[in-house]
Amino acid sequence: DSGVTQTPKHLITATGQRVTLRCSPRSGDLSVYWYQQSLDQGLQFLIQYYNGEERAKGNILERFSAQQFPDLHSELNLSSLELGDSALYFCASSVDASGELFFGEGSRLTVL
Amino acid sequence: SQQGEEDPQALSIQEGENATMNCSYKTSINNLQWYRQNSGRGLVHLILIRSNEREKHSGRLRVTLDTSKKSSSLLITASRAADTASYFCATGGSQGNLIFGKGTKLSVKP
Repeated sequence: DSGVTQTPKHLITATGQRVTLRCSPRSGDLSVYWYQQSLDQGLQFLIQYYNGEERAKGNILERFSAQQFPDLHSELNLSSLELGDSALYFCASSVDASGELFFGEGSRLTVL
Repeated sequence: SQQGEEDPQALSIQEGENATMNCSYKTSINNLQWYRQNSGRGLVHLILIRSNEREKHSGRLRVTLDTSKKSSSLLITASRAADTASYFCATGGSQGNLIFGKGTKLSVKP
């Protein structure tokens, strides 16, 4: 158990819909990262937050947004969903920006 | 964009054999990390090697780093069926975030 909790574990929805994925980092970790993993694209970095502020941005679509709340949990919002958004979405946390990442078990999103 | 690229993409060996996976990267690094992922599960950190280190050991794992060639290798000795997983290298991106390669899928047959 990494100490990172992600909900929901599985989510099935239709094209055009909006979903919210939630992540609770390990106790004491200030950095939260979101990654998308699909078969053809591998593990893609989406966005990083540090203590409530956006720290780094990767290949995150404009239809996607995220935030980190004062209690350090984070949410990833995916809107106007397309079939190609079907993937595993991972949250990870770390104490600092350059060390070991602790990953949650992921949220598997299926868009039909 | 990918910073690290693992090679081979897939590797199949017998239990007891050694498994070697390679990672090449493009820009200078502070450290390089290796992670393991069992099918459909979250990634698990294996080992971190700093840019001023050449070799590091952890149990049956041995990692080497050659900064002049911008490459690293992960050696798993005396592999077990339980080592079957995907292995990823990761290096720091331009914004300090961690960028992962596409991984090597290791299959260890009993």
